[in-house]
Amino acid sequence: QSALTQPASVSGSPGQSITISCTGTGSDVGAYNSVSWYQQHPDKAPKLLLYDVDNRPSGISNRFSGSKSGNTASLTISGLQAEDEADYYCTSYTSSDTRVIFGGGTTLTVL
Amino acid sequence: QVQLVQSGAEVRKPGASVKVSCKASGYTFSGFHMHWVRQAPGQGLEWMGIINPSGGDTNYAQKFQGRVTMTRDTSTSTFYMELSSLTSDDTAVYWCTRDRVFFSRSWTFDFWGQGTLVTVSS
Repeated sequence: QSALTQPASVSGSPGQSITISCTGTGSDVGAYNSVSWYQQHPDKAPKLLLYDVDNRPSGISNRFSGSKSGNTASLTISGLQAEDEADYYCTSYTSSDTRVIFGGGTTLTVL
Repeated sequence: QVQLVQSGAEVRKPGASVKVSCKASGYTFSGFHMHWVRQAPGQGLEWMGIINPSGGDTNYAQKFQGRVTMTRDTSTSTFYMELSSLTSDDTAVYWCTRDRVFFSRSWTFDFWGQGTLVTVSS
């Protein structure tokens, strides 16, 4: 099964907002609200940012928000900060034998 | 506090097997499913499978079926992931990562181990 489609890179200036898209199909993103987002800094383990499309775990800043429309989910980061510079991955539950599918990842550069 | 401590880096030759461990502490071991995720150098994340710590039942990604075995030892609160018939494509960092929801499968991951680098080289 192919990975979810994310832009390879996005960039923004401090204080700005950016949005990262995550496009799947009717068998994953479009079929379930089990979309999650992870942040990964270099040589670190990923960190859960959002689950079930738009829910933040305890301790995650409200600058991170999520949404979904059809087969595409989105992560929005508002008030960009230098420490937001990282790779971001979306995931979705899928009806295939591979129960979890990841996006290819998006590198965020804070200019 | 929740801690997942993995075993150290491994080097294997093509065709060999590797077994990575993940010792859990700071929470009810039997209450949370454990997933395994890997990342090849410079590449994205890839889900490998999930194990139920209570019954030991597993669910593997189709790509790894027949080659991966996930087990757990309830007496030591440790999970294991064994991958066989290794090739250079299996060179990656392997993580154990806990499912977010108690006694269910949310397919989201809230706590991660520190990762184990497995290098496959002749």
